[in-house]
Amino acid sequence: GDSVTQMEGPVTLSEEAFLTINCTYTATGYPSLFWYVQYPGEGLQLLLKATKADDKGSNKGFEATYRKETTSFHLEKGSVQVSDSAVYFCALRRSGGSYIPTFGRGTSLIVHP
Amino acid sequence: GAGVSQSPSNKVTEKGKDVELRCDPISGHTALYWYRQSLGQGLEFLIYFQGNSAPDKSGLPSDRFSAERTGGSVSTLTIQRTQQEDSAVYLCASSWGTGDYEQYFGPGTRLTVT
Repeated sequence: GDSVTQMEGPVTLSEEAFLTINCTYTATGYPSLFWYVQYPGEGLQLLLKATKADDKGSNKGFEATYRKETTSFHLEKGSVQVSDSAVYFCALRRSGGSYIPTFGRGTSLIVHP
Repeated sequence: GAGVSQSPSNKVTEKGKDVELRCDPISGHTALYWYRQSLGQGLEFLIYFQGNSAPDKSGLPSDRFSAERTGGSVSTLTIQRTQQEDSAVYLCASSWGTGDYEQYFGPGTRLTVT
């Protein structure tokens, strides 16, 4: 079945550092790929998505590129802020059926001033 | 506009008691989803509704879990005879439909079974 694997956290960085959170997936066909962010005490929010190979999703300085050849969708940001501290979830969703996403376990990011 | 709301935000219950968790979706959203988020785990899909119907109940972990939705709006997730392994954050999401629509999540209900 479908699965999403994320790097384990927590990831601890200083402000303005470069961020990479790795995500790889296993799925048949051509799923859409997503990154969600969960700030403390809040629900998940869609951060960015990509629907086909080589697409780049971007939002709030974050970006991720859909790599079909490596089945990856790594999240990157050039300069993190304290306010980026949150849990980040990678997810995939296949077209058709109920469109229920498959989520990774989440990666906690802690950014220090 | 109002987002997805869930109540209570926190619930502590004794093992063996029944609990009800409530979800108010965004007005007009016909699809509603329940997930469970356990410590260190991803989001586990439980059940979804299209209108008042639940076409897919395959994610419910046991027959102690049930859910209903009335009037195409509010949904209630009921856990009977709670066990300690039921402790988790229960998340609700809604969307305009079950197609390629974004899901909007509520803040969750943190359930602790003692």
